[in-house]
Amino acid sequence: AQKITQTQPGMFVQEKEAVTLDCTYDTSDPSYGLFWYKQPSSGEMIFLIYQGSYDQQNATEGRYSLNFQKARKSANLVISASQLGDSAMYFCAMRELPANNQGGKLIFGQGTELSVKP
Amino acid sequence: EADIYQTPRYLVIGTGKKITLECSQTMGHDKMYWYQQDPGMELHLIHYSYGVNSTEKGDLSSESTVSRIRTEHFPLTLESARPSHTSQYLCASSEFRTNYGYTFGSGTRLTVV
Repeated sequence: AQKITQTQPGMFVQEKEAVTLDCTYDTSDPSYGLFWYKQPSSGEMIFLIYQGSYDQQNATEGRYSLNFQKARKSANLVISASQLGDSAMYFCAMRELPANNQGGKLIFGQGTELSVKP
Repeated sequence: EADIYQTPRYLVIGTGKKITLECSQTMGHDKMYWYQQDPGMELHLIHYSYGVNSTEKGDLSSESTVSRIRTEHFPLTLESARPSHTSQYLCASSEFRTNYGYTFGSGTRLTVV
């Protein structure tokens, strides 16, 4: 069964510094997608970045990059130049990709609460 | 500009009442999902649908029920609300392409007193 683990319940980072949020996953399916979402205190889920299991390069989206280490089954999120508005919960998620291309369900890790200090 | 809408945003209701949480999307997505999330905790899938007249239970057991009569509409109903149902409920939808992330609604924060 697929599983996502985020071992950092809370993280602090100084404004303008970089921070890495850890995520490990477990799946027996060779084809899957990895996602990071941001959830501010208002509660909505904001999609940040996606990495496919067959992608050769690490995904990047502006200040967000995903450090994908397939052999270690890790998909850490790196936020560069942290801003006060980055303070939020961050969730790692995975979706298996069945052969019928119907798309598996998205499962989430426990989340990491990031606090950016001025 | 939201493409998936949830109402109400907040709901406080008494024990035993019947409630329906609304979710509608304008993207024509076949797949829709309901997640339950306690404050500061992970999201748990409670229901999903892959199309009209298709509904399945998710990984977390829930006393709620859902229906999918129209592609764009996926309401969740609790026949008799209890304090244990107090939580945030998030609706999401996705295209059939598997490398596409889910689009989430703003959520409904339910409090049962």
